[in-house]
Formats: sequence, structure tokens, C-alpha cells
Amino acid sequence: EIVLTQSPGTLSLSPGERATLSCRASQSVSSNYLAWYQQKPGQAPRLLIYGASSRATGIPDRFSGSGSGTDFTLTISRLGPEDFAVYYCQQYGTSPCTFGQGTKVEIK
Amino acid sequence: EVQLVQSGAEVKRPGESLKISCKASGYKFTNYWIGWVRQMPGKGLEWMGIIYPDDSETRYSPSFQGQVTISADKSISTAYLQWSSLKASDTAIYYCAKTSNWYFDLWGRGTLVTVSS
Repeated sequence: EIVLTQSPGTLSLSPGERATLSCRASQSVSSNYLAWYQQKPGQAPRLLIYGASSRATGIPDRFSGSGSGTDFTLTISRLGPEDFAVYYCQQYGTSPCTFGQGTKVEIK
Repeated sequence: EVQLVQSGAEVKRPGESLKISCKASGYKFTNYWIGWVRQMPGKGLEWMGIIYPDDSETRYSPSFQGQVTISADKSISTAYLQWSSLKASDTAIYYCAKTSNWYFDLWGRGTLVTVSS
């Protein structure tokens, strides 16, 4: 199965700063089928990005995804107070689909 | 409104069986794979498996194959996750989620399963 490694484990930033989250796959992700999710405490995850770079419905344009093959990035251009959360990547090109271990974005 | 409504929290003893549910509404249930995701206390998301309700084709993660059963009843637009013999390590929140091309675009609110003697 494809192993996804997210880095860093924790990102400490201030509101208004730029966040760059990495997701590296142990082998190439088929058709760049890579999604990103946001999870806040006590809530279900929410889809942000699919197909490596397509924003889900209702997701603000400060969220962007990029990358291909084995290296993918989620960028939040200017952190709002509501963006402090845990972010997960998921590959869905090959079964079993797998998640990364998550990156926590916390307030500095 | 498109939504997934999961069954309520459960408290079980080790060795007991359990079946939790996820009722879909607002979309054509048989046209989309639906899956289950585990989140153990304080931990990350784990992909358990998915089912295509129209023909019940199922894919499991090797980590969960043989440990759980995923099923669906298309007549009532409901997916299920079941255990025949629970262990304490099954304590977790279980999310169902609708897929689109196998990424999860709609999530239920989760079912907390607590297994304790």
C-alpha cells in the first residue's frame, strides 16, 4: 500500500502568515489522485482539495494544492483564525486508499 | 439536503458484536461508493474500506480485512459497519463518508464506539 508522510508534524504560525504543508508518497500517486482534508476538534473532517489542486465547493481561494507524482503541497496563503486545525492528505488512486498522519497548524 | 446520518454512540463489552449504520439522503445512494474511516482517541484518520451500494462490491484495507464487515442496503440507502467480536482496541470514532472518485466529499458526524469491561 502507498504510505503518505506529512511534514512537519506541527506548524506554529501567526494569523495572516502563509502555511506550507507537505505530503510525500512512497510511490507515485495514480493520476495525481491526492486529496486534502481539514479537521477541527470535535468535528468530522472536511474536504478541501481533490485531484491535487482542485478546490472543493465552498473552499476559500486562500487554500491551494499543488504537486504531482510523489510530492504534494497544501498552501494556505494567509491564515485566518478559523484555519488552525489538523490537515490530512489522502491518496485515492490505488486501493487501499491511505491517509497521511496529519499536520497540526497551531497558533504561535 | 445531501447528508449522512450515523447511528448513536455505543458502549460495549469485549467479545460482543456490533453493527453501526449510516443513512444517506439527498443523492442517489447506488451511484457512489461509500466508506468508513476510523479515528482512535487522539490519533489520525485510517481508511477502513469502501462499498459500492449498487452491487455491494467492497474494498478493504489489509489492516481491517477480516476484522470488520462493510455492507449496504440499497433499499433504505444505508451503509453498515459491523464487528462479530469487539476488542478494547476497537474504541474509536467511526466516520462514514460518501465518495466521489474515491475521495470523501461528504462526511457523517461520526459514531463513538467504546469497548470496555
